[in-house]
Amino acid sequence: RKEVEQDPGPFNVPEGATVAFNCTYSNSASQSFFWYRQDCRKEPKLLMSVYSSGNEDGRFTAQLNRASQYISLLIRDSKLSDSATYLCVVTGGSNYKLTFGKGTLLTVNP
Amino acid sequence: DGGITQSPKYLFRKEGQNVTLSCEQNLNHDAMYWYRQDPGQGLRLIYYSQIVNDFQKGDIAEGYSVSREKKESFPLTVTSAQKNPTAFYLCASSRWGRGGDEQFFGPGTRLTVL
Repeated sequence: RKEVEQDPGPFNVPEGATVAFNCTYSNSASQSFFWYRQDCRKEPKLLMSVYSSGNEDGRFTAQLNRASQYISLLIRDSKLSDSATYLCVVTGGSNYKLTFGKGTLLTVNP
Repeated sequence: DGGITQSPKYLFRKEGQNVTLSCEQNLNHDAMYWYRQDPGQGLRLIYYSQIVNDFQKGDIAEGYSVSREKKESFPLTVTSAQKNPTAFYLCASSRWGRGGDEQFFGPGTRLTVL
């Protein structure tokens, strides 16, 4: 099982759609979870951290299921500017390394 | 403005040459990291440093070397021993270098070996 595995995508959705990304991780000792966003040929930027209780930031909702080793990102009311690659990121249990998924490409169409 | 700078943005190298990529941060972060990104691949960790004068190998350290003589600076040297050096190189930093820290990235350097 890969350390961090994401939906392969790509996702093509119309403006205003709701889209969900899923991610599974293999290390049950993982402590911290993030979603990063990466625009084409740019650096990744933190979108949001993922907390055990789930968290919301405007149109974005992240959830964590430790039992299933699964995290998700929900984007509501998609905007053209949401078009990017979304990276699922997980830390190890006792080390300092972030492990990145390969990313899921989202294209929001007018 | 606080942030991470990388230079150059684009770099071309002939086979057999060593090249050094610069990374500087003014965020007063303790930890710094180097990643490599290939098309369709996730970021892979090359080296990381949690404190000045100390650094650790990541998953793909072969053919690379680093130094951490100053808190603000973490240069990466791509040596001729690196078999496939053409890639997008990203430097990052985090406040304490412990698990759970979010990492902030520089704009990256695209290295092409001719």
